[in-house]
Amino acid sequence: NAGVTQTPKFQVLKTGQSMTLQCAQDMNHEYMSWYRQDPGMGLRLIHYSVGAGITDQGEVPNGYNVSRSTTEDFPLRLLSAAPSQTSVYFCASSRGGDLADTQYFGPGTRLTVL
Amino acid sequence: TQLLEQSPQFLSIQEGENLTVYCNSSSVFSSLQWYRQEPGEGPVLLVTVVTGGEVKKLKRLTFQFGDARKDSSLHITAAQPGDTGLYLCAGEGFLQAAGNKLTFGGGTRVLVKP
Repeated sequence: NAGVTQTPKFQVLKTGQSMTLQCAQDMNHEYMSWYRQDPGMGLRLIHYSVGAGITDQGEVPNGYNVSRSTTEDFPLRLLSAAPSQTSVYFCASSRGGDLADTQYFGPGTRLTVL
Repeated sequence: TQLLEQSPQFLSIQEGENLTVYCNSSSVFSSLQWYRQEPGEGPVLLVTVVTGGEVKKLKRLTFQFGDARKDSSLHITAAQPGDTGLYLCAGEGFLQAAGNKLTFGGGTRVLVKP
């Protein structure tokens, strides 16, 4: 199993550009999430999904869109990049439904918006 | 909004010394998880505590969940350079519909010098 994979690993955008961060998991997990990590702030939840076709907003959803057409994939779209979206983005998946479920994180995408 | 505060933010010690990292909140959590993150990688789960007052040991690491389930601590005995990393605590709320949403603390960066 590859676990949770994310592409690209690094990305530089100009303000106003759009892009999609890819996330895939091969563990047949129902739950998937996107977090951003900024210095001193831990990880903050952007969007999450409890199954194919179901998504919901997290703590910091503005400027991001998600969709979940398959169990395996959970892409994160930046509609019009802003410098405030410079961050490291992590995708995570978990089996779902259990208390204290283990979340598995991908290696992250480091995004810089100029 | 549930908040988790970690202290200290940074800890530098010599190999063989002991250290304790604290994770505090005014909110009650159904469970609390501790992660370690290496540079350029995603967080990896170390332990989950569920019951108030629970103590779990993982080799030289001891994790405790407060009686009121609002706080937790991580104690490392005889720290080694391999313990260097960013330690994150994350709490899970009580809402099942929350989709295993985690609230993360800001992290404690630990440096163990040989």
